[in-house]
Amino acid sequence: DAKTTQPTSMDCAEGRAANLPCNHSTISGNEYVYWYRQIHSQGPQYIIHGLKNNETNEMASLIITEDRKSSTLILPHATLRDTAVYYCIVRVEGSQGNLIFGKGTKLSVKP
Amino acid sequence: ETGVTQSPTHLIKTRGQQVTLRCSSQSGHNTVSWYQQALGQGPQFIFQYYREEENGRGNFPPRFSGLQFPNYSSELNVNALELDDSALYLCASSRTGRANYGYTFGSGTRLTVV
Repeated sequence: DAKTTQPTSMDCAEGRAANLPCNHSTISGNEYVYWYRQIHSQGPQYIIHGLKNNETNEMASLIITEDRKSSTLILPHATLRDTAVYYCIVRVEGSQGNLIFGKGTKLSVKP
Repeated sequence: ETGVTQSPTHLIKTRGQQVTLRCSSQSGHNTVSWYQQALGQGPQFIFQYYREEENGRGNFPPRFSGLQFPNYSSELNVNALELDDSALYLCASSRTGRANYGYTFGSGTRLTVV
């Protein structure tokens, strides 16, 4: 079973920041938080990952709480092309083995 | 570098038949994983191949089997198809030994069993 909990769906206005929350209260000390997204009819796409410090790349920012029990993925200026299902996953970095997906959050960006 | 390619993109099979799905890994990747995604659900792990051997398996029956070839491409075989096997089948490649944010997924094969 997935070790994360996410809202089923969220809406965001185009051009505004999209903030997607994730709860992972049972995360272990050596587990990273990963985010993937899946645009309709495509395979999941890696977005970002982090351990305990906030991370930023060209796609998004990841904010992890100090106790590491929750995190937020931020898309700073959402576009219509960001409409997708976003998955939050916890796993040990560099480990072989599978990604355990939950149902994710369906983000709808509206004009 | 080329990404992960899967074939065919769509397939319709009859219950009881057998099917083979194919996947070409991203250049430089040596590990392949297969996932099944039912409508409205997240992908579910089927199995993973590394060095041409299965080295991890999810909760799927033995009629789901696979192969990995020396060029790291892979096949997923499903025997005795059931209606519930209708799903999107995703292949993901990665390089063992490197941080696994490097999972690259293909666009999948949509299998419909009638």
